[in-house]
Amino acid sequence: NAGVTQTPKFQVLKTGQSMTLQCAQDMNHEYMSWYRQDPGMGLRLIHYSVGAGITDQGEVPNGYNVSRSTTEDFPLRLLSAAPSQTSVYFCASSGAGYDEQFFGPGTRLTVL
Amino acid sequence: SQQGEEDPQALSIQEGENATMNCSYKTSINNLQWYRQNSGRGLVHLILIRSNEREKHSGRLRVTLDTSKKSSSLLITASRAADTASYFCATDTSSGYSTLTFGKGTMLLVSP
Repeated sequence: NAGVTQTPKFQVLKTGQSMTLQCAQDMNHEYMSWYRQDPGMGLRLIHYSVGAGITDQGEVPNGYNVSRSTTEDFPLRLLSAAPSQTSVYFCASSGAGYDEQFFGPGTRLTVL
Repeated sequence: SQQGEEDPQALSIQEGENATMNCSYKTSINNLQWYRQNSGRGLVHLILIRSNEREKHSGRLRVTLDTSKKSSSLLITASRAADTASYFCATDTSSGYSTLTFGKGTMLLVSP
């Protein structure tokens, strides 16, 4: 199993550009989530999904959209990138009845 | 807002010594989890302790939980250079699927 995979690993955007961060898992996990990690801030939850077709907002959802059309994939869309969205983004998943989360390797995003 | 706060922010020890990190939180929890993050990598789950448990062991790791003081500690015994990483506590206050709130982390440096 590949676990949780994220693409790209690095991305540089200009202010106002849009892009999609990809996340996929092959563990048949129902729960998936997106976090951002900023220096000295720990991880903050952006959006999460408890199954295909079901998503909800986390602590810092503004400026981001998500959808969950399949169990495996949970993309994160930046609608109009801003410098404040410069961060490292992590995707995570967990299975029903399990509380621990499995994390992807992260995407380092810089918005100029 | 941060639910968990780790203390200290940074810890430097020699190989073979024990490392203790503390986590305080604000609201009632279902469980508390500890994760490790090596530089530039994703988070790896270490151990989970439920609200009705007081102590848990996993290899060289020992976690305690005091719900009356809303605090937890992570002890790593006989530290190795490979233990150098950031350690995060995460609290789960949700029902159903796990929605974690992370602290800012403790950066541990173990010198040979």
